[in-house]
Amino acid sequence: KAGVTQTPRYLIKTRGQQVTLSCSPISGHRSVSWYQQTPGQGLQFLFEYFSETQRNKGNFPGRFSGRQFSNSRSEMNVSTLELGDSALYLCASSEEVSFGYTFGSGTRLTVV
Amino acid sequence: GQNIDQPTEMTATEGAIVQINCTYQTSGFNGLFWYQQHAGEAPTFLSYNVLDGLEEKGRFSSFLSRSKGYSYLLLKELQMKDSASYLCAPSWRGYQKVTFGIGTKLQVIP
Repeated sequence: KAGVTQTPRYLIKTRGQQVTLSCSPISGHRSVSWYQQTPGQGLQFLFEYFSETQRNKGNFPGRFSGRQFSNSRSEMNVSTLELGDSALYLCASSEEVSFGYTFGSGTRLTVV
Repeated sequence: GQNIDQPTEMTATEGAIVQINCTYQTSGFNGLFWYQQHAGEAPTFLSYNVLDGLEEKGRFSSFLSRSKGYSYLLLKELQMKDSASYLCAPSWRGYQKVTFGIGTKLQVIP
């Protein structure tokens, strides 16, 4: 089975721009979650999708949004980028809670 | 979030045993994950506890006390490759919302 695939691996954007990150989960996994990881804050939960519906949302501003398609692939979008959005964005998919998440390698976003 | 507390750093000797503790708020608690994350890599799943008690998986064991809001990860026969961050991650009622602690950076020394 292929793992969780995130694209792109690296991105450099300018303040004020917007960005879209993509995540392809493991085949058969219908739950996709997104996390932001920074050295000082650790892994912060952004949102979780299941069968194209957002089931949970973390405490991030409305500039952060996401969606899931019928094939379970997911995208997240960040509009009006700020310097503080520089982070590693991780996507994780799961089939069943007790099986745990499988994480992708992440997208390293740098905002300059 | 959810008041997850774990030590930020620990150092242990190769071949020894180390216990990484984690406390969390009990309200709405469902189960608890432990993940390992090597520097520059994605987290990988180690264990998931729902019931009280100790679960052993090779050199790694995880313990949970639901009433006390307490868990620990026990690593035996430490190897150099065990140097990594260990993330305590409670899950909450409300589908699959999982929150992560800041992680414990474990350094294994010869």
